[in-house]
Amino acid sequence: TQLLEQSPQFLSIQEGENLTVYCNSSSVFSSLQWYRQEPGEGPVLLVTVVTGGEVKKLKRLTFQFGDARKDSSLHITAAQPGDTGLYLCAGEGPSSASKIIFGSGTRLSIRP
Amino acid sequence: NAGVTQTPKFQVLKTGQSMTLQCAQDMNHEYMSWYRQDPGMGLRLIHYSVGAGITDQGEVPNGYNVSRSTTEDFPLRLLSAAPSQTSVYFCASSYSHAVTEAFFGQGTRLTVV
Repeated sequence: TQLLEQSPQFLSIQEGENLTVYCNSSSVFSSLQWYRQEPGEGPVLLVTVVTGGEVKKLKRLTFQFGDARKDSSLHITAAQPGDTGLYLCAGEGPSSASKIIFGSGTRLSIRP
Repeated sequence: NAGVTQTPKFQVLKTGQSMTLQCAQDMNHEYMSWYRQDPGMGLRLIHYSVGAGITDQGEVPNGYNVSRSTTEDFPLRLLSAAPSQTSVYFCASSYSHAVTEAFFGQGTRLTVV
């Protein structure tokens, strides 16, 4: 059972379009992180959200933490080919704050 | 500025062989962890350590052993490799657990035949 469910699994859109990917759970998290991974590399942290309802912006990327701290979304405005990659959300495991659990990921492809 | 270094980058093993994946970090991080990444599964936690001498199991620990004799090193041992262990393995470290940034190595692509 995947603690963190990400949707969609795959997304292919045209350059310039907007998109939103989701990270959902039945558990409450004290914080959630979003990472991006490119082929042949390890994931790299984009942002950490801590407070319910929190919104953080990173250039064209907007991250939101749900009010109940069970879900998060990543919205990309005017997607560019450089946004292509695997987007992963991560949070603390339910029984131990020391276990960092990752979602299954959303593979994003931006066509020029 | 090495960060997290994993070796080897690629490895092919025969079923039943044993091997150790090496992971070293030079950031004096207390928390280190091993993940495996399979298609459509994201990253699954194998083992983790909150400091030298302390290790614990993650989501998928069977078939793997770890030890943490120093802050810098966190090797992952495959005791008797099986085809189901074919995967890409990532080591990560962070200053602490939870909300702090995790730094990942470049991964080890392991094939068991």
